[in-house]
Amino acid sequence: GQNIDQPTEMTATEGAIVQINCTYQTSGFNGLFWYQQHAGEAPTFLSYNVLDGLEEKGRFSSFLSRSKGYSYLLLKELQMKDSASYLCAVMDSNYQLIWGAGTKLIIKP
Amino acid sequence: GAVVSQHPSWVICKSGTSVKIECRSLDFQATTMFWYRQFPKQSLMLMATSNEGSKATYEQGVEKDKFLINHASLTLSTLTVTSAHPEDSSFYICSARASEPYEQYFGPGTRLTVT
Repeated sequence: GQNIDQPTEMTATEGAIVQINCTYQTSGFNGLFWYQQHAGEAPTFLSYNVLDGLEEKGRFSSFLSRSKGYSYLLLKELQMKDSASYLCAVMDSNYQLIWGAGTKLIIKP
Repeated sequence: GAVVSQHPSWVICKSGTSVKIECRSLDFQATTMFWYRQFPKQSLMLMATSNEGSKATYEQGVEKDKFLINHASLTLSTLTVTSAHPEDSSFYICSARASEPYEQYFGPGTRLTVT
């Protein structure tokens, strides 16, 4: 079967760095996505990785290792507004997104 | 990034009535559109996938006669919840994707309350 695993909840301090991990087992692989979802709102696109390595975009970076079925989202200089759920999703061989359950990130002052 | 709009943003309807939700890609042509449902504090749940000009593909457990999806053009898809019941109350979110690149862009969602 297809499976995406990510921690249910994480807590971090304002100004710090946090890494949210995602492991996956899917039928084929056409890329991995990270989305941010604030409570009561729709998800917003953060990043897309299809090749191994690190993609940096401002305070957010995303890493992929296809051989390990592993990705992480790294958030630096945390701000209170970064409190949200972070969704990992993998595009399978049929170009369908398989969603993780999301990681709720709580930022404390 | 690409913009997807959704209308209405919230709707309250009486049990037994039908509600139509529109999803539009504003600045790109969406060959594929997706409809999701999300209950409070739960994950996104894919309801159906629609390609322009084709019948929608529904996920297991989603009643196609109750949730009517039309994807008549490359910029518009509609979801009609027919004979709505209180258990249909949820947050309905559409997303759109061009043929390439493969990012899905989400609409802002529609909060449906059935009384």
